Amino acid sequence: AQSVTQPDIHITVSEGASLELRCNYSYGATPYLFWYVQSPGQGLQLLLKYFSGDTLVQGIKGFEAEFKRSQSSFNLRKPSVHWSDAAEYFCAVDTDKLIFGAGTRLAVHP
Amino acid sequence: DAMVIQNPRYQVTQFGKPVTLSCSQTLNHNVMYWYQQKSSQAPKLLFHYYDKDFNNEADTPDNFQSRRPNTSFCFLDIRSPGLGDAAMYLCATSRDLTGGASGANVLTFGAGSRLTVL
Repeated sequence: AQSVTQPDIHITVSEGASLELRCNYSYGATPYLFWYVQSPGQGLQLLLKYFSGDTLVQGIKGFEAEFKRSQSSFNLRKPSVHWSDAAEYFCAVDTDKLIFGAGTRLAVHP
Repeated sequence: DAMVIQNPRYQVTQFGKPVTLSCSQTLNHNVMYWYQQKSSQAPKLLFHYYDKDFNNEADTPDNFQSRRPNTSFCFLDIRSPGLGDAAMYLCATSRDLTGGASGANVLTFGAGSRLTVL
């Protein structure tokens, strides 16, 4: 069965530090992969998506993610975190429907 | 701006008292989805409409129903809310169910309706 695993439930970083959020998926074919961000009390906003081609994809707000087929991973990165990046981040895989990981809650220290 | 609007943003109901949540979209998308998101959990798909075709997830309780009277509107009806139904309910739309590089299957979410059951 298709699944998405986000190993880190909570991550805390200092403002200006780099960030990497991990995501592993289980799916037999080439997946469509997404990262969404959810601010408290809000809906989900698409950060970036991977369908095919270049394995390094750029998204909004300075985020990028790299698809690594050999590791079944799609990790999200940002070189310098801002306080406004504090939110919950969801990785998702699209098979015939969108399946979300459990999310990683990011806290940013000043 | 084209968007997905959910009303109400906050709904308080009593145990067993029916409640209806609404979702409207100006994107003219074919597909509308309802997700349930409990505290600190991933969104869980309840059902979706492709145009007028209703598709229920196998594990969605019968207590949850949906209506889509036209392209723009979709409603979530909870017939007899229990304490376990307290959650954020997210509406989303997409142009199509599949799309690959066209992005037709990318979801646009509303801000959500938070349901409290007393």
